[in-house]
Amino acid sequence: AQKVTQAQTEISVVEKEDVTLDCVYETRDTTYYLFWYKQPPSGELVFLIRRNSFDEQNEISGRYSWNFQKSTSSFNFTITASQVVDSAVYFCALSGGATNKLIFGTGTLLAVQP
Amino acid sequence: GAGVSQTPSNKVTEKGKYVELRCDPISGHTALYWYRQSLGQGPEFLIYFQGTGAADDSGLPNDRFFAVRPEGSVSTLKIQRTERGDSAVYLCASSLRLSTDTQYFGPGTRLTVL
Repeated sequence: AQKVTQAQTEISVVEKEDVTLDCVYETRDTTYYLFWYKQPPSGELVFLIRRNSFDEQNEISGRYSWNFQKSTSSFNFTITASQVVDSAVYFCALSGGATNKLIFGTGTLLAVQP
Repeated sequence: GAGVSQTPSNKVTEKGKYVELRCDPISGHTALYWYRQSLGQGPEFLIYFQGTGAADDSGLPNDRFFAVRPEGSVSTLKIQRTERGDSAVYLCASSLRLSTDTQYFGPGTRLTVL
């Protein structure tokens, strides 16, 4: 069975701090995709990144970076120099199989204080 | 371009009533997904369409839930004899093709069953 675990329910940081959101996944598929979505207070899920299981290169996009490690089944997300606008719920998700349906974690609520 | 749209944004109904929720995917996207998000949880998969056919409806909780996509574009999620436990945000997502493409989400419909 596929499963995504986000052990951190809530994180609170002060602006300009770095913060890492953890994601651990389980799957028996050899080909799968990992995602991060942001859900701000407005409620709409915003796509941040997709990674396939064959590409373990870390990725950086501005203040965001992602660390994918198959050996530990983890796909962690780091925000550098956090800003108040980063406050949101962040979801890690896994897809695989024939229909590519997403399996989401329970999310991490990030609060960035000014 | 236009993203995924969903109507209505909010729906309040009474227990036992019938409701329809509409999703208009991104133009040209052939894959369409419905998810349900309860308070404090990640979205949970309901059903997936490829074109006009429901390729995977394994997430529908029971036979009160049904979805259609008659022309391969707009989809309607139908819930009969609503129950208070159906209260949630219903999210629609679309992707360009199938297995390798990112799902883009709409703003959701918040359903409240009194």
